[in-house]
Amino acid sequence: QKEVEQDPGPLSVPEGAIVSLNCTYSNSAFQYFMWYRQYSRKGPELLMYTYSSGNKEDGRFTAQVDKSSKYISLFIRDSQPSDSATYLCAMLQSNTDKLIFGTGTRLQVFP
Amino acid sequence: GAVVSQHPSRVICKSGTSVKIECRSLDFQATTMFWYRQFPKQSLMLMATSNEGSKATYEQGVEKDKFLINHASLTLSTLTVTSAHPEDSSFYICSASPLAGVQETQYFGPGTRLLVL
Repeated sequence: QKEVEQDPGPLSVPEGAIVSLNCTYSNSAFQYFMWYRQYSRKGPELLMYTYSSGNKEDGRFTAQVDKSSKYISLFIRDSQPSDSATYLCAMLQSNTDKLIFGTGTRLQVFP
Repeated sequence: GAVVSQHPSRVICKSGTSVKIECRSLDFQATTMFWYRQFPKQSLMLMATSNEGSKATYEQGVEKDKFLINHASLTLSTLTVTSAHPEDSSFYICSASPLAGVQETQYFGPGTRLLVL
């Protein structure tokens, strides 16, 4: 079993839709949770960074962490074609300081 | 904001040759740099962590004699793939952090696509 599971998609939605991206994890030692956006043939760009359970909002993006269920989500409101990219979740183990990435979910927002 | 560049962006080489990839932090001093490899439809996998002026720390399963890492200055790290083979074809991404060993504050480069024929 992988430490971090993420549905690779692709996920195709119309412009303006609410997008929900999710990851599950198995390691209770994960303390920090990140979401990265990666455009085709580019490096990942940090979108959101959370530490505790609950919600964190930044513009159209909301990151949600549920440590009891070992489940994290990224919501994108009013999705735009420019949001089309691969979204990677990443988690940081406190005991090794090593970032573990999900496989990424490819999102396509069509006009 | 923090910018990390990589050069080259794409390289094609023959099997058996060596390829050097550069990673530069353009507007900050990178105490720590990380090298990742990403195969199609797979996660980024950490290969090694390097701190300026010291030897790199390699992840389990990564051959240090094959993937030579040099972090000679606070703004430059290089990854040399020695005697490259087709199975080394991948997307290599570096990241840099201004803080020693702290992975949550790292900024990623645009990546280098390596194709070994």
